[in-house]
Amino acid sequence: QQQVKQSPQSLIVQKGGISIINCAYENTAFDYFPWYQQFPGKGPALLIAIRPDVSEKKEGRFTISFNKSAKQFSLHIMDSQPGDSATYFCAASMGMNTGFQKLVFGTGTRLLVSP
Amino acid sequence: DAGVTQSPTHLIKTRGQQVTLRCSPKSGHDTVSWYQQALGQGPQFIFQYYEEEERQRGNFPDRFSGHQFPNYSSELNVNALLLGDSALYLCASSKWGRGNEKLFFGSGTQLSVL
Repeated sequence: QQQVKQSPQSLIVQKGGISIINCAYENTAFDYFPWYQQFPGKGPALLIAIRPDVSEKKEGRFTISFNKSAKQFSLHIMDSQPGDSATYFCAASMGMNTGFQKLVFGTGTRLLVSP
Repeated sequence: DAGVTQSPTHLIKTRGQQVTLRCSPKSGHDTVSWYQQALGQGPQFIFQYYEEEERQRGNFPDRFSGHQFPNYSSELNVNALLLGDSALYLCASSKWGRGNEKLFFGSGTQLSVL
């Protein structure tokens, strides 16, 4: 129940295209869903996050779509650029009301944006 | 404003040895968490420290221990190293309290156990 399943494992998108990464969870106690971007040799960097009372959140070219009934959420990267080539992780936690922030991560998606 | 800093960046140890990794949280943060990231995997939660106490622990053996100091910095200690402990160890910091959900990660310490 603590797992977050992420797909696809890898993704190749042409420059200017839309990258879509999907995640699914089982534990309905999760109340915070962030996406992290990680470049080789670096730690994960927070990209965008959403709470379950919102169905969509957009920040620049990045959008999270959240489907509470299906227990699924996805990251959309519009106008994908070569600089977006990185590994993306979805995550979930249930610490919004307690201060205990324990993130459960997906397995990651390696995105390659071809020029 | 310095972010989360970790030291050392790389470390090579042999089986059975002990290792200590260090972390300084982002300015204004008082909570430190440690994660283990094996190659090609997502980070796995080890434990979280707040007010110098371990508040939560993931599914890791007692060989993994930690400490938080009054200045909020933290150490991760791993005893009796195994080959399987080879991984990137990440420190994350946050501000304790409801609604303070954002975790900021350091660049990690790459530990190789030979």
